[in-house]
Amino acid sequence: QQPVQSPQAVILREGEDAVINCSSSKALYSVHWYRQKHGEAPVFLMILLKGGEQMRHEKISASFNEKKQQSSLYLTASQLSYSGTYFCGTDSGGSNYKLTFGKGTLLTVNP
Amino acid sequence: GAVVSQHPSRVICKSGTSVKIECRSLDFQATTMFWYRQFPKQSLMLMATSNEGSKATYEQGVEKDKFLINHASLTLSTLTVTSAHPEDSSFYICSARDAGGGYEQYFGPGTRLTVT
Repeated sequence: QQPVQSPQAVILREGEDAVINCSSSKALYSVHWYRQKHGEAPVFLMILLKGGEQMRHEKISASFNEKKQQSSLYLTASQLSYSGTYFCGTDSGGSNYKLTFGKGTLLTVNP
Repeated sequence: GAVVSQHPSRVICKSGTSVKIECRSLDFQATTMFWYRQFPKQSLMLMATSNEGSKATYEQGVEKDKFLINHASLTLSTLTVTSAHPEDSSFYICSARDAGGGYEQYFGPGTRLTVT
């Protein structure tokens, strides 16, 4: 079942913060976050595993609430390069580690 | 590290012909590769999971006789769209898991298929 992402779109000025949420109705083993720019392939940002710690990559961090099957991506002091569509991919622990992706959140960072 | 390539990046073909798309992991071995399809401004829809040396596992609603997948080695998987029709036009993306690494998937640059 496809995870639900919110918001669908957000517009920021450079330097502002944003939070993108991802929730699932199924128990999750891991949540993966990707950023995709127009016409390009998704780029891996980070993965959160069940029982794992909150992850951080530069000014981007994420959390995973296993009980609520929710994950949030936090973008701090956004940069122009952060613009793109953010997808969460959820893994319910099958043997092939396949992911189900949400519909995406379009983030636009303006100068 | 963790680079995945796809070839071709763009292809235009006539209705009724077949097209082969290659996905290669360049600096790691991938026992599992995934094939996705993405329509404009939409999410990534998993088509099939490809395991080296075995038959691919297709998602519900994906015709396995139309989308032939072969994963002959630890670094190469191919997707062949047979008897292509205009409705098959889409962005096809592969991803790969590092057999010696973690759970993350690394995506190729994608192939834009246009069927005329």
